[in-house]
Amino acid sequence: KNQVEQSPQSLIILEGKNCTLQCNYTVSPFSNLRWYKQDTGRGPVSLTIMTFSENTKSNGRYTATLDADTKQSSLHITASQLSDSASYICVVSAIYSNTGKLIFGQGTTLQVKP
Amino acid sequence: DSGVTQTPKHLITATGQRVTLRCSPRSGDLSVYWYQQSLDQGLQFLIQYYNGEERAKGNILERFSAQQFPDLHSELNLSSLELGDSALYFCASSTPGLYNEQFFGPGTRLTVL
Repeated sequence: KNQVEQSPQSLIILEGKNCTLQCNYTVSPFSNLRWYKQDTGRGPVSLTIMTFSENTKSNGRYTATLDADTKQSSLHITASQLSDSASYICVVSAIYSNTGKLIFGQGTTLQVKP
Repeated sequence: DSGVTQTPKHLITATGQRVTLRCSPRSGDLSVYWYQQSLDQGLQFLIQYYNGEERAKGNILERFSAQQFPDLHSELNLSSLELGDSALYFCASSTPGLYNEQFFGPGTRLTVL
């Protein structure tokens, strides 16, 4: 069964600190993995997208890694800011012709405190 | 701003009623996807349209239906509404490519009383 599991479910850190969010998946055949940031009540916004051959990708203070052998990904946030408080969703795309079907994780809720 | 627009932003209605949610995709995108997000739940894929034709179905109830028009905008119709249908409904659009990246709209918050 295609699944995406994220940990931790929630996280509280102090402003300025770093944190790492984890994502494990069992999606096959794998196409790509993406991390989205979703502010409360808003639509998800893409942070990074990685294909099978990409091990790491950065977007400002966000750095995602992918280990396709172990089917694990992580999202590292550096020098956190209050505006980083959001839900971070790991999404894996399976190859199903042109449907672009996505399998969503449940998300990690990050709260950054001053 | 993703370029995807959704109307209305908020909708409050009663059980048993029918509502229509509207989505306009990014310019040039042929695919439209609908998602449901209940309170404290993850995004659930409902249905995808590509250039006017249904392409994939997810966990969409029989009371729900969607269509994509020739101008590529899409509508999601929800009927015989129940309290449990209260949720955020997101539309996303994409164009086929290496990543088939989906861009999400701001969502419509539906409250069924």
